[in-house]
Amino acid sequence: SYELTQPPSVSVSPGQTASITCSGDKLGNKNACWYQQKPGQSPVLVIYQDNRRPSGIPERFSGSNSGNTATLTISGTQAVDEADYYCQAWDTSLYVFGTGTKVTVL
Amino acid sequence: EVQLVESGGGLIQPGGSLRLSCAASGFTVSNNYMSWVRQAPGKGLEWVSLIYSGGSTYYADSVKGRFTISRDNSKNTLFLQMNSLRAEDTAVYYCARGTDIVPTDYWGQGTLVTVTS
Repeated sequence: SYELTQPPSVSVSPGQTASITCSGDKLGNKNACWYQQKPGQSPVLVIYQDNRRPSGIPERFSGSNSGNTATLTISGTQAVDEADYYCQAWDTSLYVFGTGTKVTVL
Repeated sequence: EVQLVESGGGLIQPGGSLRLSCAASGFTVSNNYMSWVRQAPGKGLEWVSLIYSGGSTYYADSVKGRFTISRDNSKNTLFLQMNSLRAEDTAVYYCARGTDIVPTDYWGQGTLVTVTS
């Protein structure tokens, strides 16, 4: 079965850049998305099609996907960005979520 | 406005059955990809099942043969029939809408299923 691996946690200072990686076999050949989930809330889509932002998502969120790694980058991180982040890869018959990364804004 | 409202969760004994519902508004269920995703307490997201607009269905290996996804177009509602439930099926179950470029763009608030004796 297909697996996506993320670091369990990432710490970042306010105003700095946070990068979250997502690793999977030939992930660059699939579509990648990223979701933000805050405690007690449903996930929210922040990146789709590797690097596109839904309306309403701040420009500080960006994404890339190449080779075996997709990356979510949060530039100028704010306290409100503290949350769990999940990557997702999908194709015709398979949706897979990453293991999740807790982003802490110190 | 797109809205998804899940219902049907609750406490159930191992081996039992439960049917979850997801009432949609603001769009047509049958014209979109619809998924169920679950999250065990304190754990990550796990994709469970998918139904395409054409009716094709797919399941995670962990639920294949036990769960069935379906929809009622007249009620604009998605369902998940869960049979032979196990303790490891305990989770919040979310329904989510998708399109051909986004697997899950809108999510419901979730419904909790607890499998325990």
